[in-house]
Amino acid sequence: GAGVSQSPSNKVTEKGKDVELRCDPISGHTALYWYRQRLGQGLEFLIYFQGNSAPDKSGLPSDRFSAERTGESVSTLTIQRTQQEDSAVYLCASSLELNQPQHFGDGTRLSIL
Amino acid sequence: GNSVTQMEGPVTLSEEAFLTINCTYTATGYPSLFWYVQYPGEGLQLLLKATKADDKGSNKGFEATYRKETTSFHLEKGSVQVSDSAVYFCALRHTGGFKTIFGAGTRLFVKA
Repeated sequence: GAGVSQSPSNKVTEKGKDVELRCDPISGHTALYWYRQRLGQGLEFLIYFQGNSAPDKSGLPSDRFSAERTGESVSTLTIQRTQQEDSAVYLCASSLELNQPQHFGDGTRLSIL
Repeated sequence: GNSVTQMEGPVTLSEEAFLTINCTYTATGYPSLFWYVQYPGEGLQLLLKATKADDKGSNKGFEATYRKETTSFHLEKGSVQVSDSAVYFCALRHTGGFKTIFGAGTRLFVKA
């Protein structure tokens, strides 16, 4: 498709389970970003990938969070042993290069019971 | 640290009313400022931006002026339409940086 695609759009899971969120960036975009938005709050940066460089993991809130990206294609954000505080909308964005305008997906709404 | 504060919503207006959504920021140096819009069921879209003091960004009838003296970037539109109903996010990013700092968003409802 023409835009950034995220799946699933909604995920409900029990506390303690692992979840995997997927992001398909716009074709040709070298930079990919993950954000988290908790209810009523602004977007919180989690991690970004730029080409084949090592990802900047400085925003990941804990070691339960990890992300991978294969080349310049799909990325997955994994949350292990989920906690209720992980409930949020997780947004993915991509840009042609770093510092170019970001294009956002529709997000994955994650609810931890 | 850097932060963005925008007025709490929801904002409810009648069609053709004047819109202002306030946004102020805290940042070192000279960040670029943005307004993003999220229409129902869609992802965020860039609405307008300004990269230096006194610049005015404009798009689709919306305007915002980068005011360094008041550290503000208020969004305005002279006559809103029902189709403007959405959530509006103010944001900043430092030149050469990639991390965008967003406000919490302001939901706008426009009634016919």
